[in-house]
Amino acid sequence: AQRVTQPEKLLSVFKGAPVELKCNYSYSGSPELFWYVQYSRQRLQLLLRHISRESIKGFTADLNKGETSFHLKKPFAQEEDSAMYYCALSGSGGADGLTFGKGTHLIIQP
Amino acid sequence: KAGVTQTPRYLIKTRGQQVTLSCSPISGHRSVSWYQQTPGQGLQFLFEYFSETQRNKGNFPGRFSGRQFSNSRSEMNVSTLELGDSALYLCASSWYAGPSYNEQFFGPGTRLTVL
Repeated sequence: AQRVTQPEKLLSVFKGAPVELKCNYSYSGSPELFWYVQYSRQRLQLLLRHISRESIKGFTADLNKGETSFHLKKPFAQEEDSAMYYCALSGSGGADGLTFGKGTHLIIQP
Repeated sequence: KAGVTQTPRYLIKTRGQQVTLSCSPISGHRSVSWYQQTPGQGLQFLFEYFSETQRNKGNFPGRFSGRQFSNSRSEMNVSTLELGDSALYLCASSWYAGPSYNEQFFGPGTRLTVL
């Protein structure tokens, strides 16, 4: 069975500080990993996926197969980064849809 | 381009009733996936439809069913409602089937309350 764990329900950091949202996964094959974000009163939307290897809004995430992790990082947090962040996994060629973690509420304090 | 729309946005039902939720995907998208979101279980995959066929299904009882029409619009139905079915039901559409290499666009959700 595939599983995604986000150990922090809430993460509060000050503006300008580095941010790291943790995500660990359990999957026997080669998964695809995603980060989704939901800003206040907005829809859930894709932030980035590991296969793209790109930086979106200053965020990056590296897939570490040895540690089965896909942590989301940003060197300098901005107030507009405050949102719910969900890590998600797709396995079996997408046959089981997306498996989401429970989410981390990121609060950036001024 | 209009986003994914879901109707109704809010719904209140009583135990034992049935309910039908609707999802209109982004124009041109042929895949529609449904998810259930609850505080306890988080976001859970219900099923996916592609070209009017159910492609795969999550671990939910048979009371949860769905269908997709030729215009790609999708409906999901829950029969014999239970209190635990109270949740936000999200619909997501994409060009092709499966989330792999294929961004899913989410709707605003339908908030179902079962009394």
